[in-house]
Amino acid sequence: GAVVSQHPSWVICKSGTSVKIECRSLDFQATTMFWYRQFPKQSLMLMATSNEGSKATYEQGVEKDKFLINHASLTLSTLTVTSAHPEDSSFYICSARNRQSLYGYTFGSGTRLTVV
Amino acid sequence: GEDVEQSLFLSVREGDSSVINCTYTDSSSTYLYWYKQEPGAGLQLLTYIFSNMDMKQDQRLTVLLNKKDKHLSLRIADTQTGDSAIYFCAEGLNNRLAFGKGNQVVVIP
Repeated sequence: GAVVSQHPSWVICKSGTSVKIECRSLDFQATTMFWYRQFPKQSLMLMATSNEGSKATYEQGVEKDKFLINHASLTLSTLTVTSAHPEDSSFYICSARNRQSLYGYTFGSGTRLTVV
Repeated sequence: GEDVEQSLFLSVREGDSSVINCTYTDSSSTYLYWYKQEPGAGLQLLTYIFSNMDMKQDQRLTVLLNKKDKHLSLRIADTQTGDSAIYFCAEGLNNRLAFGKGNQVVVIP
């Protein structure tokens, strides 16, 4: 079945540094990928939608200069948290749209980011 | 608009059935989904139902859809300890998913 690989699984970084999270669709082409943020015991909050070869569409309230998204190929999207601060600590999950599948959405395993 | 509501916590004994409920407000969704999230992990698709269906059964899972009341439920038969997780319903609309708040299911051995 469709698999989305997300790396790293967890990362600890110092305040002020940048962190890149990768999301790869392994056996299908994903023209659209989604990035979510999840706080403890809460639901997933959509941050942005990225389409291959074009700029990402950010949800209201999400700083595009803070969360840089690149979707340069049909199998790879990256989220870079720039100048990270402790309040950016969270669980980030990507999802890829698989148009060959009826139900379409496959999720990565998530990245736990801790900023110290 | 997209507004999906779920209750928060359910405790169930191993072997019993568990039922999780969800309401949504946008009737134009084509697909409705149930996802499972184990601690520290991503989301695993459990099952989905097309909006023109009333019921779908998939092994131990039964999904009921009441379009009139915009109510979706997931019944897990013979609940196992491995079913302990958070369950999210979601509706597919405008090329994206809108999630409910999630329902934590704790299975007691």
